[in-house]
Amino acid sequence: DAGVTQSPTHLIKTRGQHVTLRCSPISGHKSVSWYQQVLGQGPQFIFQYYEKEERGRGNFPDRFSARQFPNYSSELNVNALLLGDSALYLCASSLDPFGELFFGEGSRLTVL
Amino acid sequence: GEDVEQSLFLSVREGDSSVINCTYTDSSSTYLYWYKQEPGAGLQLLTYIFSNMDMKQDQRLTVLLNKKDKHLSLRIADTQTGDSAIYFCAETLYNQGGKLIFGQGTELSVKP
Repeated sequence: DAGVTQSPTHLIKTRGQHVTLRCSPISGHKSVSWYQQVLGQGPQFIFQYYEKEERGRGNFPDRFSARQFPNYSSELNVNALLLGDSALYLCASSLDPFGELFFGEGSRLTVL
Repeated sequence: GEDVEQSLFLSVREGDSSVINCTYTDSSSTYLYWYKQEPGAGLQLLTYIFSNMDMKQDQRLTVLLNKKDKHLSLRIADTQTGDSAIYFCAETLYNQGGKLIFGQGTELSVKP
């Protein structure tokens, strides 16, 4: 069975651009969460979606947005990129909002 | 407030036991987790403990929880070179399922 898949795996953007990251959850999982992991730090919670509704949001600016589609896949969008947005963006899926999280391998974003 | 602290580095010899420590501040933690991250990879759940337990053993892994001191530890018996990785402690809070609060990670180096 496929695990959580994320795309792209690596990308490079310049300041001011916008980026879209994609996540496909494990089949049957209805909840998707996004985390940002800056180099040398632990992951920080950005969003959780369940049944296409935002269920939780971390302390991130409005430049960060996300959505979940009817097939439970999800997109994370970041506008007006800053150098500090360079990080590994991790997606995790779970059966429901309280279930065990299964992480993908992440999308590594570099902002120049 | 929400805060999880870990020591940054630990070095052991192959075959020795490793003990990785973590402290947390929020007494409303429900579950506490240990994740492993190898270079360039996502997060792998190693084990977890419910906040009303004191100890959990799973093969080479032993988790100890001291609720009074808000201290969590992970002991790896017979540490192998393949155990070299970054280990993250994380907690979820009451009524915030799906939002994990991570420590900054402990880099475990296992020398042959």
